[in-house]
Amino acid sequence: DTEVTQTPKHLVMGMTNKKSLKCEQHMGHRAMYWYKQKAKKPPELMFVYSYEKLSINESVPSRFSPECPNSSLLNLHLHALQPEDSALYLCASSQVGYRPSTDTQYFGPGTRLTVL
Amino acid sequence: GENVEQHPSTLSVQEGDSAVIKCTYSDSASNYFPWYKQELGKGPQLIIDIRSNVGEKKDQRIAVTLNKTAKHFSLHITETQPEDSAVYFCAASIKTYKYIFGTGTRLKVLA
Repeated sequence: DTEVTQTPKHLVMGMTNKKSLKCEQHMGHRAMYWYKQKAKKPPELMFVYSYEKLSINESVPSRFSPECPNSSLLNLHLHALQPEDSALYLCASSQVGYRPSTDTQYFGPGTRLTVL
Repeated sequence: GENVEQHPSTLSVQEGDSAVIKCTYSDSASNYFPWYKQELGKGPQLIIDIRSNVGEKKDQRIAVTLNKTAKHFSLHITETQPEDSAVYFCAASIKTYKYIFGTGTRLKVLA
């Protein structure tokens, strides 16, 4: 089973709202990722958690705040977003093997976010 | 900087024909190359991958080849079907947890 689930599927929010995206996996993976994908573009890495600790932050604005409450869950808290933040937000997970650069990332279906 | 070039950007084939998508990477340290298929409104789905110690890998109608010397890798789909229509992304690992993705190929299989 290589399933990553994400909720909600769609989210519309105003620029003053606070909302959260959720991601869950039960594959025993110890690395979890947030990506942002704009239309007709490849995914762009935002954050990586490894063993529940933030390993990579790709200089993402502070209006995006990630959280990894446990090894199966990943959240992305959103606050004071801009219309240009509208995109598909993808969660992924991978094992952390003895050669981590060769670990396969499995993606969830994404949350389609619209910021008005 | 590191990059992955992917060609063509769009590809139309008749059902039953073969499709080939090519990628070139720049970082000689890259050692893992996954291919993802993304259907409209869905997340990327891994379809095949290859590690740098292997030159070719097949899975039914899908194959990937890797030429480390030339830093090229390619996706081959034989006997294409309408359900193969999607956007395909190649990727190359550049370090732990990080992939560089190609720009994507929109494949249309015409019935």
